[in-house]
Amino acid sequence: NAGVTQTPKFRILKIGQSMTLQCTQDMNHNYMYWYRQDPGMGLKLIYYSVGAGITDKGEVPNGYNVSRSTTEDFPLRLELAAPSQTSVYFCASSYGTGAIEQYFGPGTRLTVT
Amino acid sequence: AQKITQTQPGMFVQEKEAVTLDCTYDTSDPSYGLFWYKQPSSGEMIFLIYQGSYDQQNATEGRYSLNFQKARKSANLVISASQLGDSAMYFCAMRENTGNQFYFGTGTSLTVIP
Repeated sequence: NAGVTQTPKFRILKIGQSMTLQCTQDMNHNYMYWYRQDPGMGLKLIYYSVGAGITDKGEVPNGYNVSRSTTEDFPLRLELAAPSQTSVYFCASSYGTGAIEQYFGPGTRLTVT
Repeated sequence: AQKITQTQPGMFVQEKEAVTLDCTYDTSDPSYGLFWYKQPSSGEMIFLIYQGSYDQQNATEGRYSLNFQKARKSANLVISASQLGDSAMYFCAMRENTGNQFYFGTGTSLTVIP
């Protein structure tokens, strides 16, 4: 049981490049989330999904896209990377709503130069 | 308005002493959940404790307890008998049951002094 896995761990992008951050969970959780954490700050929600085929915007969705074709996978796509997207990205999942904690992946450190 | 406010950017505590990390929240939803997470220097997010808005008693998990004052909208984390391994960032978070989003505070950096 690997929990939530994220790849890659680190990545450097040039301005204008695109990439996909991968997130997979093996706990059969319905809910999945993408956050970004800027230096010295808390987490801000980018996108979330309540099940396969369903996604919705969080607080800071601009510049990102997601898809959820399976329960296990929730990739985050960055199009036309900008320096403002330099951050640590966390994927998380939870079984449902209410009194349910989120399980976090180890994070992806992204630098855009 | 901020959903979660943590007013202590940094805190120091002597080893074996207790420490309280402050968290206030803002919501009009009568049903919500409050969470505390620990983030050590290695970067992972570790769930510590949960308090539901309808829970009558304060939550406890080992050395962690949550001082929940609903009327004041505060959910302070109390760590008893601090250990060196408690040095980390601590984040308060809230989930409103009408939505699916979690809201995080800006965190408090705790340093335990030997």
